[in-house]
Amino acid sequence: GQQLNQSPQSMFIQEGEDVSMNCTSSSIFNTWLWYKQDPGEGPVLLIALYKAGELTSNGRLTAQFGITRKDSFLNISASIPSDVGIYFCAGHFPQKLVFGQGTRLTINP
Amino acid sequence: DTAVSQTPKYLVTQMGNDKSIKCEQNLGHDTMYWYKQDSKKFLKIMFSYNNKELIINETVPNRFSPKSPDKAHLNLHINSLELGDSAVYFCASGGSGNTIYFGEGSWLTVV
Repeated sequence: GQQLNQSPQSMFIQEGEDVSMNCTSSSIFNTWLWYKQDPGEGPVLLIALYKAGELTSNGRLTAQFGITRKDSFLNISASIPSDVGIYFCAGHFPQKLVFGQGTRLTINP
Repeated sequence: DTAVSQTPKYLVTQMGNDKSIKCEQNLGHDTMYWYKQDSKKFLKIMFSYNNKELIINETVPNRFSPKSPDKAHLNLHINSLELGDSAVYFCASGGSGNTIYFGEGSWLTVV
C-alpha cells in the first residue's frame, strides 16, 4: 500500500535548538499536511501545503512542499518545552490521508 | 465545543466481547473516518464515509462494522474482540482543502 517514509524517527535536542524533519514518498501528492500529537490526545493539524514549492509558516514552524511533489519537510525554530510530542506528515490520496511513521521529539531543558 | 468528539475515551474489556465507540462531528463535514493507531504510533485508515455512504474499507476484518446514521455521526462496532484489537481508535472528519480533523481518541485494551 501507500507509504510515507518519515525521518528521523526520534530526536533528542536541547531547548532553543532548531529542528528539521522530512517525509518522502514514491507517490505524487497534491496535498501535504503536518500534524502534532501530544500524549493522550489526537493529532492536531499544524500546516497544510497545496502547491509544489510552497513554503508556509505557522509561528516558529515552517513547512515546504517539495518541487517533485514527493516530499515535504518541517522545521521548528528555537524549540521550547511544549514542542515535545510526535510529529506526523501526511499525504492526501483520494478519499484518505496516508501518514508517515512519526518523529518523536524530546527536548532537554 | 469539541469539533470531533468520541466516546468512550478509555475502554477495557475481555476477549470475545462486543463493544462500540461513538463519534460525532459538529463541523458540518460530509466525510468521516476511523483510523487505528498501533503501539508503534502508526496511524492507518480503517474506514471512510461520505454523507453516510461507505467509501473506503481498508481490508478491515468483518468483526469491525461502522455505522453512520447521519453525516455528523460515525460509530464503530467491534464484535468478538481479540487481543490484537488493542489500540487507539481515532475518529476524524474531513474539511476543505483535504484537511482532516481528529477526535481525542479511544484507548481500547482487550484482556
